Amino acid sequence: DTAVSQTPKYLVTQMGNDKSIKCEQNLGHDTMYWYKQDSKKFLKIMFSYNNKELIINETVPNRFSPKSPDKAHLNLHINSLELGDSAVYFCASRSTTEAFFGQGTRLTVV
Amino acid sequence: GQQVMQIPQYQHVQEGEDFTTYCNSSTTLSNIQWYKQRPGGHPVFLIQLVKSGEVKKQKRLTFQFGEAKKNSSLHITATQTTDVGTYFCAGPLAGNQFYFGTGTSLTVIP
Repeated sequence: DTAVSQTPKYLVTQMGNDKSIKCEQNLGHDTMYWYKQDSKKFLKIMFSYNNKELIINETVPNRFSPKSPDKAHLNLHINSLELGDSAVYFCASRSTTEAFFGQGTRLTVV
Repeated sequence: GQQVMQIPQYQHVQEGEDFTTYCNSSTTLSNIQWYKQRPGGHPVFLIQLVKSGEVKKQKRLTFQFGEAKKNSSLHITATQTTDVGTYFCAGPLAGNQFYFGTGTSLTVIP
């Protein structure tokens, strides 16, 4: 079984659309994250979610919103997509030590 | 902006040469972790260092945590083509945030 799974793996959409990326972890971890990886490979933290506490990176536009229906899921909703949103988005979960990453979602906005 | 910097950003080496990447944090870290991301893949945990001045080895990889717990290094002896990828350091910073360094992309020329 995959520890952290994301869907879809690829997402191509037009500017202005709204899209969601789903993330599920079966590790029982309390903390989940969303990261954005740009073309230079920088991994920028977007959100962390721990026991219903959401910490938002101040640089993230409010068009991005995480939704956590339960401890095992942290979905990412993006409204009014822009060209600059094109990137690979990674979901991750963490216990007290290492982080486990999903396979990533390559988002292309055209 | 990024609070955990790595140098160099890119490194090309001939197979068999050694490689080192350096990680510097603007704040003291309780621990530091290292991850490897293969091309097209997701970051995978390599190791965690906790103690000041700690040195750990994994086969050809040597990891070091600085005395002030603000810097770290990863050294690979006699690189192989399987070492290709981007190496990230990471550590817990403000709150529950888990920040990644800027990464070093390693290319090994056969």
